Amino acid sequence: GAGVSQSPRYKVAKRGQDVALRCDPISGHVSLFWYQQALGQGPEFLTYFQNEAQLDKSGLPSDRFFAERPEGSVSTLKIQRTQQEDSAVYLCASSAGPGTGFYEQYFGPGTRLTVT
Amino acid sequence: AQSVTQLGSHVSVSEGALVLLRCNYSSSVPPYLFWYVQYPNQGLQLLLKYTSAATLVKGINGFEAEFKKSETSFHLTKPSAHMSDAAEYFCAVTLGGGSYIPTFGRGTSLIVHP
Repeated sequence: GAGVSQSPRYKVAKRGQDVALRCDPISGHVSLFWYQQALGQGPEFLTYFQNEAQLDKSGLPSDRFFAERPEGSVSTLKIQRTQQEDSAVYLCASSAGPGTGFYEQYFGPGTRLTVT
Repeated sequence: AQSVTQLGSHVSVSEGALVLLRCNYSSSVPPYLFWYVQYPNQGLQLLLKYTSAATLVKGINGFEAEFKKSETSFHLTKPSAHMSDAAEYFCAVTLGGGSYIPTFGRGTSLIVHP
């Protein structure tokens, strides 16, 4: 595709509900990142995939957060039993992968999650 | 460990004036440094990056930044602000050498007055 897309763009969930956020990276991009951006803050790293392998999940804040990329393209970030502190914008980024293009991360528009 | 400090949550300039957005970093090893821009309801876009080559880095939209190791700084400048430059700007650092997890600053909102 032309860029990284994310869906839904906005999600309102009641406390305790499960949510799933989708990311479609740029076609052919090997690396995929998820970030959480709280209001008035910079993005914070959640997890990283290289193809279908989740190489780093050190930023996931709790075991309620789970990410997958089963075929090495589309990725889903799932949050179980949402809490109010999960309210944030969730950003996805992709890059060409290890090598010169690694630091050229292309970001999607984000999903704004509001937990009520 | 690495960290980034962006001085000033808001910077206001007149159209045509110099833009200066400040970024100081802390890193235990030589860093890679980045500036991103975020327009409302959009994702981040890479403006420029420093990866241990030339210390003066030129980016898109007329922006540039200079890596100063002695001052641990990577300030972003543009000689003449345009109205379209109004956005949120983020400085980020990674440890480099294959490290891929960036640490972002809290952001600086650039306001451009006509």
